[in-house]
Amino acid sequence: GENVEQHPSTLSVQEGDSAVIKCTYSDSASNYFPWYKQELGKRPQLIIDIRSNVGEKKDQRIAVTLNKTAKHFSLHITETQPEDSAVYFCAAPYSSGSARQLTFGSGTQLTVLP
Amino acid sequence: NAGVTQTPKFQVLKTGQSMTLQCAQDMNHNSMYWYRQDPGMGLRLIYYSASEGTTDKGEVPNGYNVSRLNKREFSLRLESAAPSQTSVYFCASGRAATEAFFGQGTRLTVV
Repeated sequence: GENVEQHPSTLSVQEGDSAVIKCTYSDSASNYFPWYKQELGKRPQLIIDIRSNVGEKKDQRIAVTLNKTAKHFSLHITETQPEDSAVYFCAAPYSSGSARQLTFGSGTQLTVLP
Repeated sequence: NAGVTQTPKFQVLKTGQSMTLQCAQDMNHNSMYWYRQDPGMGLRLIYYSASEGTTDKGEVPNGYNVSRLNKREFSLRLESAAPSQTSVYFCASGRAATEAFFGQGTRLTVV
């Protein structure tokens, strides 16, 4: 099945600095790459996604870049704030069984230090 | 819109007991999923259903069964609970292999 690797597992940054989380995937047919944010005790929530026909997408302080040749995509958070502290998951679809479904990276615990 | 609703939110079982986790979505999605989340392990897929009437095993299906009752509902059953099944369980729904919307989770402890 699809193997989505996510790095780093933990990341600490000073408030106002940037944070970058990277993921690699193995299925070259993958065409959709979402990122989720999970605050402590809450459900994962979609924060941004990118499809394979574009290389970058931005939404205010967050952006995602995709390199299909190298099979990796990254989440960039600029001007980090304490409320950005959470676990972030990347995901990618892969085919197993009768349909495609999302598989998730192992998560990155981001801590923004005041 | 309620989105994805899971019940119960918390449950404690004794080893060997059975239970069913319920999930319902009101977003008219075809695909539904059950994940488990353990510390440091991310979200692992247990079972999924691409459409009403179909189910498939995910990464960690052993010890679980599912039923896609109709388009809205997808239940997860533990026939004989084991301590290794202590986890947080998330149901999700979405369009095929795209964004997944999660329920609030069920925190299950097996003692």
